[in-house]
Amino acid sequence: QSVLTQPPSASGTPGQRVTISCSGSSSNIGSNSVNWYHQLPGTAPKLLIYSNDQRPSGVPDRFSGSRSGTSASLAISGLQSEDEADYYCAAWDDSLNGVVFGGGTKLTVL
Amino acid sequence: EVQVVESGGGLEQPGGSLRLSCAASGFVFSSFSMNWVRQAPGKGLEWVSSISSSSRTIYYADSVKGRFTISRDNAKSSLYLQMSSLRDEDTAVYYCARESLGWSFDIWGQGTMVTVSS
Repeated sequence: QSVLTQPPSASGTPGQRVTISCSGSSSNIGSNSVNWYHQLPGTAPKLLIYSNDQRPSGVPDRFSGSRSGTSASLAISGLQSEDEADYYCAAWDDSLNGVVFGGGTKLTVL
Repeated sequence: EVQVVESGGGLEQPGGSLRLSCAASGFVFSSFSMNWVRQAPGKGLEWVSSISSSSRTIYYADSVKGRFTISRDNAKSSLYLQMSSLRDEDTAVYYCARESLGWSFDIWGQGTMVTVSS
C-alpha cells in the first residue's frame, strides 16, 4: 500500500492527451513539491517533472505537471508510442521524514 | 558525463550483510545530497535512505531503519549502503540517485541487484 495513490493503468491512442493522477495528504503533496518519473522496462527511472511543474532540460514540453491541494497530476499531450512506460509520482513526507512514491501507473499506447 | 555507477550487489542469505557502493563522476559530488532507492522484482519504487552533502543529515525508511547504514566519502566521490540483518523482502534492484530541487532525483545509476535467499 503506497502512501501516494496512482491509478495502476492508463491508456491512450497516438496523438491523444492523457493525464495520470497522484493523490496524497497534507503531510506530503499538501506541503511539499511533487516530482514525476518515468521508467521504461529494464531501465532506470528518469526524472520527468520536478517541483510540481518544472521540466528538466531535454524533456519535451508535451509533458506537464500540476499540483492542487493534496493531489497532483501529470499530463502527456500528443501521445507517442515511446511514451509507453511506468510513471511514478513522489514527494517528501513531513510525518514519515522520507520520500514517498506512488505505486506507479503503467501507460499503454494503443 | 554526469553519472553514478552502483556495485556490490549479489546473492546473500537471510540475516547476512552486504555493502553497496556508488561511484559518482562528472559533477561536484560533495555539493549534492545522495539517496538510495530500491525496486523489488515487478514492484514499484521505494525510497531507502538519504544523506546530505556533509553527512550531517541522514534519513532512513522505516523498513530499513536499524539495519541499513548510509555513508559517503566525498574525497572518493562515493556513496555507500551497508546492509545487515538482510531479509527476503530486501531483494530488489538498488539505485543510487543524486538529489536535486524539491527532493527530486535527477541522476540515477543503472542499479545493482541484491537477492536475499537461502
